[in-house]
Amino acid sequence: EVQLVESGGGLVQPGGSLRLSCAASGFTFTNYVMYWVRQAPGKGLEWVSGISGRGRSTFYADSVKGRFTISRDPSENMLYLQMDSLRAEDAAVYYCAKTPIPTWGVTYMDVWGKGTTVTVSS
Amino acid sequence: DIQMTQSPSSVSASVGDRVTVTCQASHGIRTWLAWYQQKPGKAPKLLIYSASSLQGGVPSRFSGSGSGTDFTLTISSLQPEDFATYYCQQTDSFPLTFGGGTKVEIK
Repeated sequence: EVQLVESGGGLVQPGGSLRLSCAASGFTFTNYVMYWVRQAPGKGLEWVSGISGRGRSTFYADSVKGRFTISRDPSENMLYLQMDSLRAEDAAVYYCAKTPIPTWGVTYMDVWGKGTTVTVSS
Repeated sequence: DIQMTQSPSSVSASVGDRVTVTCQASHGIRTWLAWYQQKPGKAPKLLIYSASSLQGGVPSRFSGSGSGTDFTLTISSLQPEDFATYYCQQTDSFPLTFGGGTKVEIK
């Protein structure tokens, strides 16, 4: 069974850092583009970042560019999101998601984790 | 960036009703569009990709249409489990963008 499990969320002060993790199982991890998508409380979905199967290509939303870094560890089947200089508006549930086709350029997601909650407050 | 505008933001409907949700892109995206369903406290679920292709396991009462800038999600006969929020997403180019969502509520 394909499964994605996020962890690492929590309460952090404005300006602080947090690293989110996503454990992947049930599929050949390095074959698939992976994404992070977030949802602020009571709001809609916002795409955050994406990374190619082997990690050579990365993309970011303008709202997080220069502050967040996406990466992946193929030996551990892990996806990460390093979040620095956090702001109140970064508070959200963060989902990791995979694409359905093992090729670069696929930009929709067929499997999502349950999400991990990030709270930014002093 | 490509802006996605969904309408209506909410709709009240009864079981058995036909429900239509529209999504408009600020630039032409051919058929590079996906639709998701999200229930409270749950992750989104992929319903449709490439504007009209039904994801495996999704009931056939869901359908999608459109190309260019105007797209439609139709639920042909609303079922109790369909009450949820629906989002469109353009899959044409980065940054990926979602519509604001349409909440389908019980009348």
